[in-house]
Amino acid sequence: AQKVTQAQTEISVVEKEDVTLDCVYETRDTTYYLFWYKQPPSGELVFLIRRNSFDEQNEISGRYSWNFQKSTSSFNFTITASQVVDSAVYFCALSETGAGSYQLTFGKGTKLSVIP
Amino acid sequence: DVKVTQSSRYLVKRTGEKVFLECVQDMDHENMFWYRQDPGLGLRLIYFSYDVKMKEKGDIPEGYSVSREKKERFSLILESASTNQTSMYLCASRPQMAGGPYNEQFFGPGTRLTVL
Repeated sequence: AQKVTQAQTEISVVEKEDVTLDCVYETRDTTYYLFWYKQPPSGELVFLIRRNSFDEQNEISGRYSWNFQKSTSSFNFTITASQVVDSAVYFCALSETGAGSYQLTFGKGTKLSVIP
Repeated sequence: DVKVTQSSRYLVKRTGEKVFLECVQDMDHENMFWYRQDPGLGLRLIYFSYDVKMKEKGDIPEGYSVSREKKERFSLILESASTNQTSMYLCASRPQMAGGPYNEQFFGPGTRLTVL
């Protein structure tokens, strides 16, 4: 069965510091998709990025970057020069194909606090 | 923009009451989902529906039922609410299209249910 582990429960950083949120996953599928979502204090989960298992190219979007390494089953998320608005709970999630394709398995989330 | 709305942001009910949580999406998505979110446990899937009148159990269906009579609406029902069902409930929708599990889920703002 699929599993997503976010070992960091809570992280606090001072504004402008860089921070990396870790995500490790387990799956038996060879084709799968990985996602990151942000949940600000308002409660609504916001989609950030998707990666498929055949695309190990790292991605950068502004201050956000993602490092996908299939060899270590990791999909880590880095925020550069963090800002107070980055304070939120971040979830990593995995979607398999085949019989499990309707399910999105979430990690337990990492609560990020950016202190001004 | 995709919009997923939930009938209430906050709800307080008494033990034994029948509770209806409503979710409506406006983008003609085939798939809809109900999750509950608890501290330290992340998001757990209760039920999902891949089309009208079709439903499947998720990881924690006990004590819940669902109804999907129209494509845009997915209801979660607590037949007899109990205190251990106090939680944040999140609804999501996703297009099926050709991508299936490739497509991200779009979330509503959540309903924080308290059962006294």
